[in-house]
Amino acid sequence: DIQMTQSPSSLSASVGDRVTIPCRASQNISTYLNWYQQRPGKAPNLLIYAASTLQSGVSSRFSGSGSGTDFTLTISSLQPEDFATYYCQQDYRSSTFGGGTKVEIK
Amino acid sequence: VTLKESGPALVKPTQTLTLTCTFSGFSLTTSGAYVSWIRQPPGKALEWLARIDWDDDKFYSTSLKTRLTISKDSSKNQVVLIMTNMDPVDTGTYYCARSKGQPVAGYYHYGMDVWGQGTTVTVSS
Repeated sequence: DIQMTQSPSSLSASVGDRVTIPCRASQNISTYLNWYQQRPGKAPNLLIYAASTLQSGVSSRFSGSGSGTDFTLTISSLQPEDFATYYCQQDYRSSTFGGGTKVEIK
Repeated sequence: VTLKESGPALVKPTQTLTLTCTFSGFSLTTSGAYVSWIRQPPGKALEWLARIDWDDDKFYSTSLKTRLTISKDSSKNQVVLIMTNMDPVDTGTYYCARSKGQPVAGYYHYGMDVWGQGTTVTVSS
């Protein structure tokens, strides 16, 4: 199985900060990596697919990068509505989610 | 495009859970369409469970594959997930989600772009 690791599990940031969220795969997954945002009590929302392609309708302050085993989600200027939990997911072989990174208010 | 999960809110340990995902706005007979099931225990991370493709290919979580069965009824626009031998650790919110193939640099990628609202399942005697 392909394991997805997200560390840290939480981070604190302020409105306007640039935030980077890492994700690591246990083996090479090329660019078969997606990012989701989940707000409390809500279903996840697709932000990025294919590691770096912005999903239609998602703010351009979100961007993704990486390939192989190391990936990053970047929020260029954190907004109040961005305080949420972010998950990476591989779909290279079957599917697996990472454990999530919660972005909290500093 | 919408998806909606339905099923029992409460099941007893050892019982079998049957969940139905009823969708509209797309067809699961269209090439490149998938429907997946994902769950989330209270306060914990998302866990992918299973997927069924437009051509009836099926994929399961390795850790749960002996307990899961996924199927589709394209005429009813429904996907059904059956989970056997339920345990209290299976308590959580169960989601279904749609993927459609999106071409990037010559390859298709399948992010889950539309999700249901989720249904809460509690396993307790």
